[in-house]
Amino acid sequence: GDSVTQMEGPVTLSEEAFLTINCTYTATGYPSLFWYVQYPGEGLQLLLKATKADDKGSNKGFEATYRKETTSFHLEKGSVQVSDSAVYFCALSTGGGNKLTFGTGTQLKVEL
Amino acid sequence: NAGVTQTPKFRILKIGQSMTLQCAQDMNHNYMYWYRQDPGMGLKLIYYSVGAGITDKGEVPNGYNVSRSTTEDFPLRLELAAPSQTSVYFCASNGGGSDTFGSGTRLTVV
Repeated sequence: GDSVTQMEGPVTLSEEAFLTINCTYTATGYPSLFWYVQYPGEGLQLLLKATKADDKGSNKGFEATYRKETTSFHLEKGSVQVSDSAVYFCALSTGGGNKLTFGTGTQLKVEL
Repeated sequence: NAGVTQTPKFRILKIGQSMTLQCAQDMNHNYMYWYRQDPGMGLKLIYYSVGAGITDKGEVPNGYNVSRSTTEDFPLRLELAAPSQTSVYFCASNGGGSDTFGSGTRLTVV
């Protein structure tokens, strides 16, 4: 079945540091790929998405490129802020019903 | 525009009790979903619906039931609460783009 593997957390960075959160996937067919962010006490919010190979999703300074050859969708940001502290989930969607399969989440903490 | 509204936000149940988690969306989305989130884990799909009158099991449906009598509402029913159902429950809807999530219901079964 479909699965998503993302790097273990927590990840602690200093403000303005470069961020990479790795995500790889296994899927039948051609999935759409997503990054969701969850701030403390809140539901998940879509951060960015990509629907086909070589697409780059971007939002709020975050980027991720759909790499079919390496089955990856790594999340990057050039300069993180304290306000980026949250849990980040990689997810994929295939087939009917638009059902999402999630990774286990990576907690990011950004310090001054 | 309220989006996806879940009630209650918190609840404590005793083992064997039953309850219904409510979910409503005002975006006229056809797809609706229930997920549970356990500590340190991703979200697991419990049930989903592709439209009014149609529901189907997800990855972890045991111990739960759903109904979808209207496009707007997708309640999740726990009939005999068990400690293993202690979790945070998220409802989501999708109109053909990406999912919109509610703010969650934190359920504790003691």
